[in-house]
Amino acid sequence: KAGVTQTPRYLIKTRGQQVTLSCSPISGHRSVSWYQQTPGQGLQFLFEYFSETQRNKGNFPGRFSGRQFSNSRSEMNVSTLELGDSALYLCASSPTTGGTEAFFGQGTRLTVV
Amino acid sequence: GQQLNQSPQSMFIQEGEDVSMNCTSSSIFNTWLWYKQDPGEGPVLLIALYKAGELTSNGRLTAQFGITRKDSFLNISASIPSDVGIYFCAGRSGSQGNLIFGKGTKLSVKP
Repeated sequence: KAGVTQTPRYLIKTRGQQVTLSCSPISGHRSVSWYQQTPGQGLQFLFEYFSETQRNKGNFPGRFSGRQFSNSRSEMNVSTLELGDSALYLCASSPTTGGTEAFFGQGTRLTVV
Repeated sequence: GQQLNQSPQSMFIQEGEDVSMNCTSSSIFNTWLWYKQDPGEGPVLLIALYKAGELTSNGRLTAQFGITRKDSFLNISASIPSDVGIYFCAGRSGSQGNLIFGKGTKLSVKP
């Protein structure tokens, strides 16, 4: 079974631009969660999608948004990029929402210059 | 909000030694997960725990779900160089989907 696939692996953007990251979960998994990882803050929860609906949201500004498609693939979008948005963005796939294992992709390394 | 305290922050050990690390929470969790992350990669799930008191092994790794449901422990026996990396604990409470992560324990192994 293929694991969680995130694209692209690396991205460099300029302040003020927007960016879209993609995540394909493990086949059969319906829950996709997104996390931001930085050296200072560690792993911080962004949001979770299950069956195309946002189920839970972390404490991030509205510039961070996401969606999930009928095939469970998910995208997250960050608008009006700031230098502080530079981070490793990780996607986690779970069979259902809540209470089960979460399997992570390799992440997208976003650098904002 | 919920916080996880993971300790120690870092460990420098000799190959062959045993390792212990733990996480404590300010609130009750119903799931504990332990991950290992190598540089530039995503976290890899090592062990999942779902019941208070549960003790689960995965090769040389053993983890326990504390009976108070506010802590968890990970032990690595007979460490080897490939154990090097950052180990994270993560917990989940209630039926929400998000995980709360510890800050990680950076493990270095001297051959």
